[in-house]
Amino acid sequence: GDSVTQMEGPVTLSEEAFLTINCTYTATGYPSLFWYVQYPGEGLQLLLKATKADDKGSNKGFEATYRKETTSFHLEKGSVQVSDSAVYFCALSERGGSEKLVFGKGTKLTVNP
Amino acid sequence: DAGVIQSPRHEVTEMGQEVTLRCKPISGHDYLFWYRQTMMRGLELLIYFNNNVPIDDSGMPEDRFSAKMPNASFSTLKIQPSEPRDSAVYFCASSLMNTEAFFGQGTRLTVV
Repeated sequence: GDSVTQMEGPVTLSEEAFLTINCTYTATGYPSLFWYVQYPGEGLQLLLKATKADDKGSNKGFEATYRKETTSFHLEKGSVQVSDSAVYFCALSERGGSEKLVFGKGTKLTVNP
Repeated sequence: DAGVIQSPRHEVTEMGQEVTLRCKPISGHDYLFWYRQTMMRGLELLIYFNNNVPIDDSGMPEDRFSAKMPNASFSTLKIQPSEPRDSAVYFCASSLMNTEAFFGQGTRLTVV
């Protein structure tokens, strides 16, 4: 079945450092790919998405590019802030929308001032 | 809109008791999802509805779990009888077709 593998956390960075969170996926078709973020005590929020190969999703300084050849969707940000501290989830959906979202285990990011 | 509203936020119950979790989706959304989050298994889709009809309940772990959506603005997830291994955070989410899912703040269930 479909699956998503994220790099193990936790990740601890200093403010203004560069962030990469690796995500690879296994799917039978051509899924849509997502990054969700979960702030402490809250539900998940969509951060960005990409629906086809070579698409780049971006939001709030975060970016991720849909790489079909490497089945990857790595999350990057050039300069993290303390307010970016959260848990980040990579996810896929074979159906394009939110039906049957398959999530990775999540990566906890802590940014220190 | 107030977003997806879940109640209660926290629930502590004794093993063997019935537990009911509630969800009010965003008005106008026609998909509703129930997820369970644990440290061991991460986020798992339990069941989802389209236009109040259950579409896929393959993630429901056992017959002790049941979910209903009697109308477009309300859904329940019931566990009867509850067991300690059911302790988790349960999320409800809603969406329109082919759009992002909006999550509630979750219900943290502790079964002692």
